[in-house]
Amino acid sequence: AQSVTQPDIHITVSEGASLELRCNYSYGATPYLFWYVQSPGQGLQLLLKYFSGDTLVQGIKGFEAEFKRSQSSFNLRKPSVHWSDAAEYFCAAYGGATNKLIFGTGTLLAVQP
Amino acid sequence: DVKVTQSSRYLVKRTGEKVFLECVQDMDHENMFWYRQDPGLGLRLIYFSYDVKMKEKGDIPEGYSVSREKKERFSLILESASTNQTSMYLCASRWGGVSGNEQFFGPGTRLTVL
Repeated sequence: AQSVTQPDIHITVSEGASLELRCNYSYGATPYLFWYVQSPGQGLQLLLKYFSGDTLVQGIKGFEAEFKRSQSSFNLRKPSVHWSDAAEYFCAAYGGATNKLIFGTGTLLAVQP
Repeated sequence: DVKVTQSSRYLVKRTGEKVFLECVQDMDHENMFWYRQDPGLGLRLIYFSYDVKMKEKGDIPEGYSVSREKKERFSLILESASTNQTSMYLCASRWGGVSGNEQFFGPGTRLTVL
């Protein structure tokens, strides 16, 4: 079955440190891939998306993600985290037999001063 | 600026009540979606609609129904609310039939059923 896995439920980083959030997908072919962020009390906002082409994708707020077909991964990165990045991050995918956006279970990011 | 609005941010209802959650988008999008969000489970699709008066079941439609009488409005209905429907409900919309287009989300409605 098609699925999206975010192995880390909760991550804490220090402000200014680098960040990597993991995402793995299970699809028959390469799906469309997305990262969304949800700040407390808010809806989801798109950070970036991958359809094809360049495997390193730039997004908003200084985030980037790298698509690795061999690892079925689409990890989100930021070189220097700000306190305002504290939020929940969701990886999602479209593709295959379903026309639905499938979400991972989310990673909650806490930022220490 | 694109916008998806939901009628209430917080809602408290009693078991057995009929509950309406309203969603309006101003982007002329064909597709609209209702999700529920629960800790540790991510977002799960309840229903979606790809056109006026058209609807399809998502992954967890039991206990819910929907209505789409106008293109901009998509309503989620809990016919008889139960405590296990206490959750955050998110509405989203998307342009066109291309699956890769971005979904735009509303701010969510946190529903508590007592």
